[in-house]
Amino acid sequence: NAGVMQNPRHLVRRRGQEARLRCSPMKGHSHVYWYRQLPEEGLKFMVYLQKENIIDESGMPKERFSAEFPKEGPSILRIQQVVRGDSAAYFCASSSGQGSSNQPQHFGDGTRLSIL
Amino acid sequence: GENVEQHPSTLSVQEGDSAVIKCTYSDSASNYFPWYKQELGKGPQLIIDIRSNVGEKKDQRIAVTLNKTAKHFSLHITETQPEDSAVYFCAAGGGSEKLVFGKGTKLTVNP
Repeated sequence: NAGVMQNPRHLVRRRGQEARLRCSPMKGHSHVYWYRQLPEEGLKFMVYLQKENIIDESGMPKERFSAEFPKEGPSILRIQQVVRGDSAAYFCASSSGQGSSNQPQHFGDGTRLSIL
Repeated sequence: GENVEQHPSTLSVQEGDSAVIKCTYSDSASNYFPWYKQELGKGPQLIIDIRSNVGEKKDQRIAVTLNKTAKHFSLHITETQPEDSAVYFCAAGGGSEKLVFGKGTKLTVNP
């Protein structure tokens, strides 16, 4: 499967635990974006990363949330000390980063995070 | 920052009819406008996009129009089929690479 791969597809955590969401971009893509979607809502931008660099984290809460895209391996979105309000679908997208700005972003099928 | 409004929130059509979804954006610096289709339990799928140097783009039964002056863009689906039923999202992007999404339109195509 050459598409964007996210895992796990579903994740259940209790309040106060940590959640780690993983995203492998499409083959050949070096730009990764994370978005959050609440029920009946559109997607909200969280963070944009390139390999080993955070380019734009303007949509990410200042506390408890962090993201990385290491030289090797998938991008990770980490949520510490989860609260009920963190329950949402988290989507990762990737783009090639080649050529002009705003290359098409292709999405994975998301991780549905539920907080008990 | 950018704000994208999308209408209608729900749309029901008969199979074979056309469907039109409209979006407006606020930031005149936005120059990239993709449309996504999202089926239940899946991620958004890019179906068509348009850049600000083009007024219209067509791909089989799907077309998108852009009016930069009025800051609005529309998705047109002709000869709708039941498998077109899904939630459709418009989005706007500028030089920052991030996309700002509308709240979505739930399209139902009745056989």
